[in-house]
Amino acid sequence: EPEVTQTPSHQVTQMGQEVILRCVPISNHLYFYWYRQILGQKVEFLVSFYNNEISEKSEIFDDQFSVERPDGSNFTLKIRSTKLEDSAMYFCASSEDRGEQYFGPGTRLTVT
Amino acid sequence: QQQVKQSPQSLIVQKGGIPIINCAYENTAFDYFPWYQQFPGKGPALLIAIRPDVSEKKEGRFTISFNKSAKQFSLHIMDSQPGDSATYFCAASHSGSRLTFGEGTQLTVNP
Repeated sequence: EPEVTQTPSHQVTQMGQEVILRCVPISNHLYFYWYRQILGQKVEFLVSFYNNEISEKSEIFDDQFSVERPDGSNFTLKIRSTKLEDSAMYFCASSEDRGEQYFGPGTRLTVT
Repeated sequence: QQQVKQSPQSLIVQKGGIPIINCAYENTAFDYFPWYQQFPGKGPALLIAIRPDVSEKKEGRFTISFNKSAKQFSLHIMDSQPGDSATYFCAASHSGSRLTFGEGTQLTVNP
């Protein structure tokens, strides 16, 4: 069964460093999303992406965040200058037709 | 108005019991209501979803009940098993846009 994959599974970085989280959405899906989940809290929307551009973003998704689809299979989230409060699980999701969203296993980001 | 309120925060049932998790929303533009199951260290997995044109949807042991006038929906798990122990999140969206998640319910099914 097709699934969303994410790498790395765990990323440790120092405050102020740049990180890139990578996702491979399900192959025939056209809509891509990033969400995050701070430990013990609910899942929060960051950004959605369609047709090579951002279609919606939340107030969390400020100028330090960016997304890119560098090729036909990868979807990346870049955090330019990480802060302690960026520590969270980051989930990529994809959808075929803006219906069901399927989530990847997540990347645990730890900022020290 | 974008919030989805979920209760209870935690729930313990015996094997075979029927846990019920409730969610309420304010935004009447929401038109898609999925439930996700999440095990520790894993991503949310889509369980079942409903749209407001039906009042109930059943898939296997999982049933969603939907009350449009009350702006509430709930998840029932029939014949619950220890393997159902997980965190359950309700969510809502409008026209397939961002999912707004509830706070989650940690379910424990004792053997």
